[in-house]
Amino acid sequence: DGGITQSPKYLFRKEGQNVTLSCEQNLNHDAMYWYRQDPGQGLRLIYYSQIVNDFQKGDIAEGYSVSREKKESFPLTVTSAQKNPTAFYLCASISPGSYGYTFGSGTRLTVV
Amino acid sequence: GESVGLHLPTLSVQEGDNSIINCAYSNSASDYFIWYKQESGKGPQFIIDIRSNMDKRQGQRVTVLLNKTVKHLSLQIAATQPGDSAVYFCAEMFGNQFYFGTGTSLTVIP
Repeated sequence: DGGITQSPKYLFRKEGQNVTLSCEQNLNHDAMYWYRQDPGQGLRLIYYSQIVNDFQKGDIAEGYSVSREKKESFPLTVTSAQKNPTAFYLCASISPGSYGYTFGSGTRLTVV
Repeated sequence: GESVGLHLPTLSVQEGDNSIINCAYSNSASDYFIWYKQESGKGPQFIIDIRSNMDKRQGQRVTVLLNKTVKHLSLQIAATQPGDSAVYFCAEMFGNQFYFGTGTSLTVIP
């Protein structure tokens, strides 16, 4: 089955640590996105990539970094510079002609 | 109804009744709209979409209405079932990017 796989489902981060969230898709979609979801707020765009080896900052990129070395993979690193990282993180992909985003199942990150 | 903000609207309906969820979108130039369903702890799932050249689109048990005059989108769910309990939010596409509403939490009472 084609889809987007996010891992891990739950992640705990200590203060000062960097952590990396995985996002893999086998849909052959060109564009991939990372969103952050907080209670009572709409999805906010962190980073997006429309082609391999290229990515753009979204509305809340500070404290995050990404890479796009392969079409299938778009990992997100939450760095120690992100002061309030506790949130639900969603990865999505889209291709021309598809109906909106296909979303992964999300990673819940908690600072301990 | 739904709007960008800090409060998540809630809607409770009896099983079998119809549900109407509303969304006020922000950009009059948005040309494509989607309704998503998100169950607790899961990623959003596509429900139905509509383009700006339409004012109504029907799917299986769901209907989306678009009123461009007042920038309003609604999702109607017929014969609501317990499995419909979730957060529903709309997305508008403007300039090749989607913008998302905060969502409405739907609870179906058996």
